[in-house]
Amino acid sequence: QKEVEQNSGPLSVPEGAIASLNCTYSDRGSQSFFWYRQYSGKSPELIMFIYSNGDKEDGRFTAQLNKASQYVSLLIRDSQPSDSATYLCAVNSFMNYGGSQGNLIFGKGTKLSVKP
Amino acid sequence: DGGITQSPKYLFRKEGQNVTLSCEQNLNHDAMYWYRQDPGQGLRLIYYSQIVNDFQKGDIAEGYSVSREKKESFPLTVTSAQKNPTAFYLCASSATGGNTEAFFGQGTRLTVV
Repeated sequence: QKEVEQNSGPLSVPEGAIASLNCTYSDRGSQSFFWYRQYSGKSPELIMFIYSNGDKEDGRFTAQLNKASQYVSLLIRDSQPSDSATYLCAVNSFMNYGGSQGNLIFGKGTKLSVKP
Repeated sequence: DGGITQSPKYLFRKEGQNVTLSCEQNLNHDAMYWYRQDPGQGLRLIYYSQIVNDFQKGDIAEGYSVSREKKESFPLTVTSAQKNPTAFYLCASSATGGNTEAFFGQGTRLTVV
């Protein structure tokens, strides 16, 4: 089982709709969860992080975490064409690297396309 | 301005050559990482360092080498042993290990000619 899994997409939504991006992870010891946005040819930029079960909202973005189900999601409300990008889920994992802090493991990303 | 700088942005390598990618940060971060990204793929960890003079292999370390002689710097050498080096290379840093967000450089696109 891969450590961090995402649906590769592409996910296509109309402008103004809600985009829902999902991520599952395998390390039950993971404590920190991040969503990055990556435009084509550019480096990833952090959108949100979440540490506790439940929802965390920041503007049009909501991160949801369910540690029991090992599931984290990102909702984008009122999607805009400028949101079209690849969204990477990252999880800190101790599975392969040990140490007290683990390392960030990235999923392959979900490509989102917002149609005008 | 604080940040993480990678150079060069584009790099061309002849087969059989070693090349070194630069990564410098002035964020006073302890942890630094090198990732490789292939088209349509996620980020794969090459090497990471959580403290000066110490580094660990990631998932795909074969054919790569690193050093961490200074806190600010974490250069990556792509050796001739790396059979398929053409990729987008990303350097990142974080205040601690995986518990805090990672900040990324602009990336270096390496092409073998």
